[in-house]
Amino acid sequence: AQTVTQSQPEMSVQEAETVTLSCTYDTSESNYYLFWYKQPPSRQMILVIRQEAYKQQNATENRFSVNFQKAAKSFSLKISDSQLGDTAMYFCAFDGDSNYQLIWGAGTKLIIKP
Amino acid sequence: ETGVTQTPRHLVMGMTNKKSLKCEQHLGHNAMYWYKQSAKKPLELMFVYSLEERVENNSVPSRFSPECPNSSHLFLHLHTLQPEDSALYLCASSQAWQGNNYGYTFGSGTRLTVV
Repeated sequence: AQTVTQSQPEMSVQEAETVTLSCTYDTSESNYYLFWYKQPPSRQMILVIRQEAYKQQNATENRFSVNFQKAAKSFSLKISDSQLGDTAMYFCAFDGDSNYQLIWGAGTKLIIKP
Repeated sequence: ETGVTQTPRHLVMGMTNKKSLKCEQHLGHNAMYWYKQSAKKPLELMFVYSLEERVENNSVPSRFSPECPNSSHLFLHLHTLQPEDSALYLCASSQAWQGNNYGYTFGSGTRLTVV
């Protein structure tokens, strides 16, 4: 069975620091997609970044980047120059086939302190 | 404006009531989803509609009844709910193409409380 594990229930850093959220997954597939979503207190789930497994280059979106290690089945999210608005729940998700179902991690609560 | 709009934002209902949640997307997506989000639990997929046809029903109790009248609208009809059904209900949409996946766009959810 495909699973996604986020081992950090909660993290807290100072504003402007860099923080890395971990995500590991288990699959026997070779082609798939990985996502990081952010859910702030407003409840809206927002797509932060997306990675295609067949691409070796790590995805980046402004201050957000990933470290994708396919062999290790690891997909961590790095947030540089963290801002107060980055405070949110962060969910890692995996999509491996065409059955429409994303596999979700349990989430990491990230708190950015002023 | 997120592209996916859910109403109502909050709903309190008794166990004998009947109510409906509404979701609307104007992104041109061809798949729509209902998720249940409970505290300290992973997101639970409830229903998936692709091209207005239900393609996924994850053993959801019959007191939840989805309806997709067209590709832009999705409803979740609720009746005789239980207190454990209290949760955040999220709607999402996506453009499901074979060979690529750009992720989902979510609404802001309906916070449901069953009393």
